[in-house]
Amino acid sequence: GQNIDQPTEMTATEGAIVQINCTYQTSGFNGLFWYQQHAGEAPTFLSYNVLDGLEEKGRFSSFLSRSKGYSYLLLKELQMKDSASYLCAGFTGGGNKLTFGTGTQLKVEL
Amino acid sequence: AAGVIQSPRHLIKEKRETATLKCYPIPRHDTVYWYQQGPGQDPQFLISFYEKMQSDKGSIPDRFSAQQFSDYHSELNMSSLELGDSALYFCASSPGGQGGDTQYFGPGTRLTVL
Repeated sequence: GQNIDQPTEMTATEGAIVQINCTYQTSGFNGLFWYQQHAGEAPTFLSYNVLDGLEEKGRFSSFLSRSKGYSYLLLKELQMKDSASYLCAGFTGGGNKLTFGTGTQLKVEL
Repeated sequence: AAGVIQSPRHLIKEKRETATLKCYPIPRHDTVYWYQQGPGQDPQFLISFYEKMQSDKGSIPDRFSAQQFSDYHSELNMSSLELGDSALYFCASSPGGQGGDTQYFGPGTRLTVL
């Protein structure tokens, strides 16, 4: 199976660090993408892991453990504009289609 | 930098009508993907094209068809529209059809079926 699970909602404080977890069944995917989506807008690419380990891109980092079917997105120095839905998406070989998780709605508060 | 262009941005149709959504990929991207996102749901993969050939097919109804043209733009044709087809339709493009190529999403077409 290729189910992808994420927490539905999270709340964090401006300036803090937040970790959004994503778990999936290991038989499914060749790698994981993370996208940010504001309501009614297009998903925006944040990060991508095909190998185990940590990928860092500015305030955003993503980690993948393929053997454990586990990924997380780390957001540092949170800003109010980071309030959005964060989507974990697995890709399969061949056609490269993305299978999205349920998304985590992050609310950043003062 | 140029992004994915979708038209129209908003579309209102009656039940049983037809609709055509258009997608213009980022220049030099040869792969196009279509996703459907219902209210409060995650995007669901419909279909993809690589070098004008269908490369993968997801949960696309038989009432829908799509193609990619010689200039790499793509059109999603939807017939016998139903209320449940009301959704955001995103097109994404990538520079190749290989696993792991980053997909860049267009702004979407919001389809409302009355």
